[in-house]
Amino acid sequence: NAGVMQNPRHLVRRRGQEARLRCSPMKGHSHVYWYRQLPEEGLKFMVYLQKENIIDESGMPKERFSAEFPKEGPSILRIQQVVRGDSAAYFCASSTSQTDTQYFGPGTRLTVL
Amino acid sequence: QKEVEQDPGPLSVPEGAIVSLNCTYSNSAFQYFMWYRQYSRKGPELLMYTYSSGNKEDGRFTAQVDKSSKYISLFIRDSQPSDSATYLCAIEGSGNTPLVFGKGTRLSVIA
Repeated sequence: NAGVMQNPRHLVRRRGQEARLRCSPMKGHSHVYWYRQLPEEGLKFMVYLQKENIIDESGMPKERFSAEFPKEGPSILRIQQVVRGDSAAYFCASSTSQTDTQYFGPGTRLTVL
Repeated sequence: QKEVEQDPGPLSVPEGAIVSLNCTYSNSAFQYFMWYRQYSRKGPELLMYTYSSGNKEDGRFTAQVDKSSKYISLFIRDSQPSDSATYLCAIEGSGNTPLVFGKGTRLSVIA
């Protein structure tokens, strides 16, 4: 059973470009969570999604950030018009239910030049 | 006051030592307590999951929760160089709230 998959593992963007981060949850998992980890900081919750629904986006910046989890395909975290402060590791986690254990992917490291 | 406080270290111990890692939290509504291990450039890996106050043991690892003091601990016995990683505590409320992580403690076990 493959674990949570994220791609790309490393992403370099120039200021003003768009970044798209993908997350494929573990087989059988329909709950997806996105976290951001800044250097020397802990993981910060961003958004929680189920298939085709955003359940909790209380940790998402109000502008430039969006997330989706379509019926088919991976969950996507999109960052428009990236700035240097967006440089971080972005982790996706998945679970079978809201109260079940979250399993993390390897992360996508975004660098904004 | 931050919701979860964790000393970032770094903590360096000799092989075979007992390691004690700790977090404090402020919200008494938190009910679920987890410890994750994160190797450099990797995703967090769940180590221990507890709900109630008391101790839970799994091999060389023991998780301890004291809800009255809002204090959680992870003990590693007979520490190995392969235990060298960052250890993150994570706390969750009733299930409708997201996980809140500590900053993580960086541990080095020296052979």
